[in-house]
Amino acid sequence: EPEVTQTPSHQVTQMGQEVILRCVPISNHLYFYWYRQILGQKVEFLVSFYNNEISEKSEIFDDQFSVERPDGSNFTLKIRSTKLEDSAMYFCASSELNREADEQYFGPGTRLTVT
Amino acid sequence: KNEVEQSPQNLTAQEGEFITINCSYSVGISALHWLQQHPGGGIVSLFMLSSGKKKHGRLIATINIQEKHSSLHITASHPRDSAVYICAVRGGSEKLVFGKGMKLTVNP
Repeated sequence: EPEVTQTPSHQVTQMGQEVILRCVPISNHLYFYWYRQILGQKVEFLVSFYNNEISEKSEIFDDQFSVERPDGSNFTLKIRSTKLEDSAMYFCASSELNREADEQYFGPGTRLTVT
Repeated sequence: KNEVEQSPQNLTAQEGEFITINCSYSVGISALHWLQQHPGGGIVSLFMLSSGKKKHGRLIATINIQEKHSSLHITASHPRDSAVYICAVRGGSEKLVFGKGMKLTVNP
């Protein structure tokens, strides 16, 4: 069964460093999402992406964050200058279309630890 | 802004028990998702509902749109069902709004 994959599974970085989290969505999916979950808290929406541009973003997704689909398969989340509070689990998801009845499929997550 | 509440927050059960997890939301939605999160952190989609009831194996999910409420039932629970169960809703936007989740522990 096709699945969303994410790399790395765990990333440790120092405060102020740039990190890039990578996702490979399901191949025929057109809509891509990033979510994050700070330890012990709810999962929160960050951004959705379609047709090579951001279609919706949350107030969390500030200028420190950017997303890109650099080739036909990868979807990346970049954090320019990491802060301690960026430590969280980051989940990528994809869906075939964006009809409200379309299911989003989640990747296994990347645990980001900022020290 | 939709608020998603889940109850109970934690539940411990004995193997074989019938379990119900509740989710309520404050604003009308187009779809509700039930998700399972294991201790390693990965999220697995269990159901997506916009009306009525769905069944998969020992899991049953129901939704009452008028009452803004959904339930996830687990029949004949097993220790491998131990996980966090998360309700998430979607309505009028692309994003999912998540509940805090309910931690289920099933003891043998």
